[in-house]
Amino acid sequence: QKEVEQNSGPLSVPEGAIASLNCTYSDRGSQSFFWYRQYSGKSPELIMFIYSNGDKEDGRFTAQLNKASQYVSLLIRDSQPSDSATYLCAVRDSDYKLSFGAGTTVTVRA
Amino acid sequence: KAGVTQTPRYLIKTRGQQVTLSCSPISGHRSVSWYQQTPGQGLQFLFEYFSETQRNKGNFPGRFSGRQFSNSRSEMNVSTLELGDSALYLCASSAGATGGSSPLHFGNGTRLTVT
Repeated sequence: QKEVEQNSGPLSVPEGAIASLNCTYSDRGSQSFFWYRQYSGKSPELIMFIYSNGDKEDGRFTAQLNKASQYVSLLIRDSQPSDSATYLCAVRDSDYKLSFGAGTTVTVRA
Repeated sequence: KAGVTQTPRYLIKTRGQQVTLSCSPISGHRSVSWYQQTPGQGLQFLFEYFSETQRNKGNFPGRFSGRQFSNSRSEMNVSTLELGDSALYLCASSAGATGGSSPLHFGNGTRLTVT
C-alpha cells in the first residue's frame, strides 16, 4: 500500500508568521508532487506542484522536495487569516495514481 | 475557460438504490479522475479515465464503476447503495497525456447522502 503521510495538525500560527507543512511518501518511484488548499465546504484548489529536488517559490508559498528522504514540504510566509484552510499533499506514484494525504488544518490567528 | 462541472450538486438516495454522477472536464482536458471524500478517510482515489479508457483504479468494490465518453465527459455509477457511500464525490480533470505530471483541477463535487 503506497502511503502519503502529513503531520496531523491542527497547526495554529499568528498572522505574519511562517507556517510549515510536512509530507512523506512511501513510493520511492514517485515523480510528481502537489499541494492543494481546501477551504471548508469547498473543493481542493491547486497551490503548487514540484517535480525536481530543491525549492520552488511562488509568491508567499515555497515547496521543497527531497526525493532521497521521500519528503516534500510547503512553507507559507507572512501567513494571513485567508490562509486558514486544510492543506493536502498529493503524490503521483510510480503507477501514476495520485494519492492524497489526510491533510493538515492551518489556522492563522489575527 | 470554464472549470470542471459536476452535476448534480446534491443527491439523497435510499439504501439499495443506484446513482449516476456526471462530470464535464475543462475544455481540452482528456483525463478525468474521481475521488471520494469523507471526514474519516480523506480523499480516496476511485478511478481515472483517459481517452475513454480506464487508466487506473483504486481499491473500491465493483459497485463503483465509471466511464468516459468521446467528448471526455465522464460518469460515475454506484449500484446497491450503502449508508457508508455517503460522501462528497469529486471529479478532477487534467491535460496530461501520460498522466505523470499534469496537476488535477477539481469540480465542486456532488454531495451524496444515503439514508
